[in-house]
Amino acid sequence: VLTQSPATLSLSPGERATLSCRASQSVSRNFLAWYQQKPGQAPRLLIYGASTRATGIPDRFSGSGSGTDFTLTISRLEPEDFAVYYCQQYGSSPLYAFGQGTKLEIK
Amino acid sequence: EVRLVESGGGLVQPGGSLRLSCAASGFTFSDYWMHWVRQAPGKGLVWVSRINGGGSTTNYADSVKGRFTISRDNAKNTMYLQMNSLRAEDTAVYYCVKEGFTGDFDYWGQGTLVTVSS
Repeated sequence: VLTQSPATLSLSPGERATLSCRASQSVSRNFLAWYQQKPGQAPRLLIYGASTRATGIPDRFSGSGSGTDFTLTISRLEPEDFAVYYCQQYGSSPLYAFGQGTKLEIK
Repeated sequence: EVRLVESGGGLVQPGGSLRLSCAASGFTFSDYWMHWVRQAPGKGLVWVSRINGGGSTTNYADSVKGRFTISRDNAKNTMYLQMNSLRAEDTAVYYCVKEGFTGDFDYWGQGTLVTVSS
């Protein structure tokens, strides 16, 4: 089970965002990914393997962590970054699981 | 360019059946695990099922086991989800998803809405 915090994060453009994802058991081989979802759109892969940016993802997005604690950091928020973010793990029981999401909203 | 296009969603009564399709292009379809992920209205993402490249291995979430069947036709670059004994709680947008290198989901379709209601 993945628990994301906070549920909602209110920040202004230009600020730094730190999103947390905690697993109930160690995530094998750091098979932890992060996704961004905007209203009415499919999720988009941002980070895989806990810290590798997916193709085309700006370098203001970074992932870190290992074991049970993971973090997605957005260094300087752009207007298009306000969305819902999900973490996802592979390998434990259940086979694939998502966190409940963090809504990043404009302050 | 990778493209995943779902079809087959719609309104169905409780206890009814529906078959979703996902047409894939832009990559070697038979080389990859493929998945269905769903999202109930206003809720989060939930993994539903997966199938390996050859179609010989499948897995399901407990909530759909015994009711849903995933399959694929590599000659047609198409994946399917047969959904039987549908319940109100199966109402969701169903996404067709390609798996990446580390158990992540690197490409998503636009989704197809399934509504189970009388």
